[in-house]
Amino acid sequence: RKEVEQDPGPFNVPEGATVAFNCTYSNSASQSFFWYRQDCRKEPKLLMSVYSSGNEDGRFTAQLNRASQYISLLIRDSKLSDSATYLCVVISGGGADGLTFGKGTHLIIQP
Amino acid sequence: DTAVSQTPKYLVTQMGNDKSIKCEQNLGHDTMYWYKQDSKKFLKIMFSYNNKELIINETVPNRFSPKSPDKAHLNLHINSLELGDSAVYFCASSQYSGPSYEQYFGPGTRLTVT
Repeated sequence: RKEVEQDPGPFNVPEGATVAFNCTYSNSASQSFFWYRQDCRKEPKLLMSVYSSGNEDGRFTAQLNRASQYISLLIRDSKLSDSATYLCVVISGGGADGLTFGKGTHLIIQP
Repeated sequence: DTAVSQTPKYLVTQMGNDKSIKCEQNLGHDTMYWYKQDSKKFLKIMFSYNNKELIINETVPNRFSPKSPDKAHLNLHINSLELGDSAVYFCASSQYSGPSYEQYFGPGTRLTVT
């Protein structure tokens, strides 16, 4: 089983719709979780951290389900500018060790 | 000011050559990384340096060697380049002791080996 798994997509979603995707991880001892965004031919950038209690930043909501070992990202009222690849990051262990990126979910918002 | 910079942005070279990619960060971070993103867009960590000590070394060929002259720089040297080395290489940095482990990435170096 792969350490961090994501549905690669692409997810084709009409503008204004709500879209959600998950990321599963295999190491139950994983401690920190993040969503990064990567635009085409650009570098990844942090979108948001994922906390146990869930967190929201504007139209974006991230949640963690430790029992089922997955994190989720929900985007409401999607914009054309949300089109990108969304990378799940899981950290297992202290410091910089055990850092794993998922392969990413490609999201395309259509007008 | 660019937080994490890499040079060159594009690198085209022939098999068997030796090349280096430079990376600099002006964020005062303790840890720097090199990632490889292949044609399938899979981003995989190669190395990280914390205060000039190697703390992660994934199973990459020993043709790849990171060199850190100081905390703000982590260069990547590649010997005897192979076709399979073609990829985008990203440098990144983070504050090792920070609670968020947010990584700041450079713009990437697109390496093409012919």
